[in-house]
Amino acid sequence: EVQLLESGGGLVQPGGSLRLSCAASRFTFSVYAMSWVRQVPGKGPEWVSSLSSSGGSTYYADPVKGRFTISRDNSKNTVYLQMNSLRVEDTAVYYCATWANDAFDVWGQGTLVTVSS
Amino acid sequence: SHGLTQPPSVSVSPGQTASITCSGDTLGHKYASWYQQRPGQSPVVVIYQDNQRPSGIPERFSGSKSGNTATLTISGTQTLDEADYYCQTWDSGWVFGGGTKLTVL
Repeated sequence: EVQLLESGGGLVQPGGSLRLSCAASRFTFSVYAMSWVRQVPGKGPEWVSSLSSSGGSTYYADPVKGRFTISRDNSKNTVYLQMNSLRVEDTAVYYCATWANDAFDVWGQGTLVTVSS
Repeated sequence: SHGLTQPPSVSVSPGQTASITCSGDTLGHKYASWYQQRPGQSPVVVIYQDNQRPSGIPERFSGSKSGNTATLTISGTQTLDEADYYCQTWDSGWVFGGGTKLTVL
């Protein structure tokens, strides 16, 4: 069974940084585009960023453009999200997900990011 | 305009058919996907490319689209289908609807 395991969430002050990781297993990671999607509890999901299978193309939602960076290491089957200049409104559960067939195909269990002073 | 519009809630009796709509400007020319999210769990895709069902998703889940409105239909609804459902498409970025809480009672 395809598995995605996020880590790196936690409490950070406004203006701070965090790096999220998502380790993939039980599928050929290197052929899949990957994405990060976040969700404030009680609200709908919000797409954050996506990355092509090679890592050569990246895409960002406007609220995070210039502050977040998505990357991947296909040798480690891992995708990352570097989050800088964090704001209170970035507080959410962050999920990584595979992108296939025009949909977010498989989701991880999520990691909570709390931005608060 | 941006965004996808869903009804906040839908109620259905067990065994009946539930329909959840999603409207948005780009749905007329972009694929719709649908996700089920049970409390405390991650979203699961139940429909992709408007009407395709992933392996492992029961046949009672189906999707359709007409113009700028996509519809998720659950036939013979079961109590375990009670969850939040979100539609998703492309509109200057990947966007999700606000979600519909399906109550089965």
